Amino acid sequence: DTAVSQTPKYLVTQMGNDKSIKCEQNLGHDTMYWYKQDSKKFLKIMFSYNNKELIINETVPNRFSPKSPDKAHLNLHINSLELGDSAVYFCASSQQAEISYEQYFGPGTRLTVT
Amino acid sequence: DQQVKQNSPSLSVQEGRISILNCDYTNSMFDYFLWYKKYPAEGPTFLISISSIKDKNEDGRFTVFLNKSAKHLSLHIVPSQPGDSAVYFCAASGDGAGSYQLTFGKGTKLSVIP
Repeated sequence: DTAVSQTPKYLVTQMGNDKSIKCEQNLGHDTMYWYKQDSKKFLKIMFSYNNKELIINETVPNRFSPKSPDKAHLNLHINSLELGDSAVYFCASSQQAEISYEQYFGPGTRLTVT
Repeated sequence: DQQVKQNSPSLSVQEGRISILNCDYTNSMFDYFLWYKKYPAEGPTFLISISSIKDKNEDGRFTVFLNKSAKHLSLHIVPSQPGDSAVYFCAASGDGAGSYQLTFGKGTKLSVIP
């Protein structure tokens, strides 16, 4: 009964490939997020999304795109993977963003691009 | 530019003593602050938060102090326990642009020595 789950936990792939990371939350939250934790250990927001709007961090390359089939899922698609995309990617969710700042995180997906 | 800074990458404390983790921020528009705890190979877990209208919030062994004039907050853990050994992230939100996204510090690794 994990609150926020991600698959896969580890992903090793070659440059130029396209890959997806899946995220699901069973908390009934309205807003979901994707974060990237790079080699310097910074957790940086990539996207936040609810059924009203998608907010994209302007520094995120357009090779990255979130896809939400329903409120409980927010998947991350990455096209033409590059070496610099290697990082740990965390999905998170929260209640209506306007009333709660607390976010609940998934276990992370370690992506390695070779 | 780092808007949230945790200048101590690591801290070692004896079991039973007080742990004090510090965090500084530069954006005066931040109005909500959170601490997250992260174990290896897991996602960050929400620990405690404080609104900018308060200067202290306490939850069991954990207390967060906010000094708005100094743009500084700290997390006190007392008494420290070996299970508290983890990386602690400070985060801030409400940057005045209607954003509820979290800006994280780089984290402080706490080691509690039995």
